[in-house]
Amino acid sequence: QQQVKQSPQSLIVQKGGISIINCAYENTAFDYFPWYQQFPGKGPALLIAIRPDVSEKKEGRFTISFNKSAKQFSLHIMDSQPGDSATYFCAASTDQAGTALIFGKGTTLSVSS
Amino acid sequence: EAQVTQNPRYLITVTGKKLTVTCSQNMNHEYMSWYRQDPGLGLRQIYYSMNVEVTDKGDVPEGYKVSRKEKRNFPLILESPSPNQTSLYFCASSKTPGLAVNEQFFGPGTRLTVL
Repeated sequence: QQQVKQSPQSLIVQKGGISIINCAYENTAFDYFPWYQQFPGKGPALLIAIRPDVSEKKEGRFTISFNKSAKQFSLHIMDSQPGDSATYFCAASTDQAGTALIFGKGTTLSVSS
Repeated sequence: EAQVTQNPRYLITVTGKKLTVTCSQNMNHEYMSWYRQDPGLGLRQIYYSMNVEVTDKGDVPEGYKVSRKEKRNFPLILESPSPNQTSLYFCASSKTPGLAVNEQFFGPGTRLTVL
């Protein structure tokens, strides 16, 4: 049973465009939703995270939108740049520590110049 | 520099030959974890540890062992590796519970091939 479903699997966006990656979860006990960014040959790194008490969190060009009733959250990358080309993973966990992260399968983003 | 280190970075071995992948962090983190990453499957947790001498199974623990004798180290042991354990492995660490944003810091990865 896949607890966190991520889409699309791959995404091609033109430079300056908006990249949108979506995730849906099933476990209503999840209370921490991070996004990780991974470049080839590197380990994942935390990009941005949200808790269900807010509907949106913005950090620079990156925004998480969270819809608790629909059990969905998404990552928006505004003004996408070639340097944003990477694999993005959404994740969820059931406790405040962010331990036992359940990851989505990942989205490979390519931003063309 | 705050970091998680893993060794070796690349390893080719044969079925049944015991191996250990080391993981060390210098951030005094209580929590450590091992993941495997496979194409199309994302990251799946193998084992995690909340503190010294405290370990627990993740989603895919079969065929793996871990130990946490010291806070900074969390080795992953494959006592009898099989080809289906060919994968990219990541170690991660983070602080204790209760933080608004609890960042897990990942190591650079170990690519393991079992022939």
